[in-house]
This record gives sequence, structure tokens and C-alpha cells, in this order.
Amino acid sequence: EPEVTQTPSHQVTQMGQEVILRCVPISNHLYFYWYRQILGQKVEFLVSFYNNEISEKSEIFDDQFSVERPDGSNFTLKIRSTKLEDSAMYFCASSVKPGQPNYEQYFGPGTRLTVT
Amino acid sequence: AQKITQTQPGMFVQEKEAVTLDCTYDTSDQSYGLFWYKQPSSGEMIFLIYQGSYDEQNATEGRYSLNFQKARKSANLVISASQLGDSAMYFCAMRGFEAAGNKLTFGGGTRVLVKP
Repeated sequence: EPEVTQTPSHQVTQMGQEVILRCVPISNHLYFYWYRQILGQKVEFLVSFYNNEISEKSEIFDDQFSVERPDGSNFTLKIRSTKLEDSAMYFCASSVKPGQPNYEQYFGPGTRLTVT
Repeated sequence: AQKITQTQPGMFVQEKEAVTLDCTYDTSDQSYGLFWYKQPSSGEMIFLIYQGSYDEQNATEGRYSLNFQKARKSANLVISASQLGDSAMYFCAMRGFEAAGNKLTFGGGTRVLVKP
């Protein structure tokens, strides 16, 4: 069964460093998402991406964040200068088509980011 | 804006018994979808069940059923014949099909512990 994959599973970085989280969505999916979950809290939407551009972003997704689809398979989230409060689990998700009422977003296993 | 409320932070359930997890929502969209995800201790997000706002019948998927009461804006998840492997966090989420875009909005989650 096709699945969303994410690398690395755990990333430790120092405050102020740049990190890139990588995701490989399911191959025929067209919509891509990043969510984050601070430990013990709810899952929060960061950004959605369709047709090679951001379609929606939350207030969390400030200038420190960027997303890219550098090739036909990868979807990346970059945090330019990490802060302690960026420590969280980051989930990538993908879905088949926009506009279909009962589509499912398939989630990857997550990348746990720890900023020290 | 969309809002999901899960009022039960944690629940115990005896193995083989049924458990109901509460979810209420608020949205101005006329058309929307409601989702339940399971998050085991390993951290991944597993899709369980979907209910569309215009679906006349309550959704069922194996041991999972969704008790959808549109007028009350509730979408409770019922897990029948609980198993030890059902111990996890459960998140209710919704997606609007109009102004809200394609993002999922999550509730705070309910932790379920199944006792043998």
C-alpha cells in the first residue's frame, strides 16, 4: 500500500540553525501539507501546497518557514533559524485531489524536531 | 473560523466493551467533512473514519462508527468491542469545503486506555 514517508525520523539541532525536513508524498497525490504537533498538544496546520505554490498558510507559518517541491517526488519544509519553540513533531500529509468532499489526507510518520 | 472541541482528555475502557469519544464542532460552512484519526504511542496519525455533512447515514468502518448529529454539531466516535491495541490518542478533525480551504482543523484529542 502506498504511503507518505518522512526523513529524518528525529532531528536534533541547535537554536539558530537551519533545518530541512523531507517528505515523499504518495505518487499520484496533488495536494501536500505540513502540520506540527507540540508535545502533548493538538495537531496544528502550517501550510498547504498545490500546483507548485502555497495555497494556504497559518499564522504559525511566518518568514522563518518555507516549503518547496524541488523535484517530482520530494516536498520539503525549511526552518531558516530555529527557535526553542519550534521543537515539535512535524507531519507531512498528501491527498489525491482538491475539491473532492470525502478525500482523505494521508499522514507520514512524522519527524520529531528537537531544538536545543 | 472552524473549531473542534473534545472535552474528554482521557478515558479508561474495559477490553471488549464499547467506548464513545465526544466531538463537537463549529463552522460557518454549509458543506464540510469530519474525520477521526488515531495516534498510537509511536506517533503516526492513522485515518479511521469520515463523515460528510450531507451524508444522511452515519459512517461505519469495521469497529468504528460515527454518531453524527448535525443539529447539535456533534460527531462522536464509537469504538465497539475495544481491544488492547485501541489504546491511543484519538483526534477529531474537520475540513470545510468553502472558505476554509483544504486544511484539517484538529481538536485537542482524547487519550484512551483499554484495560485487560
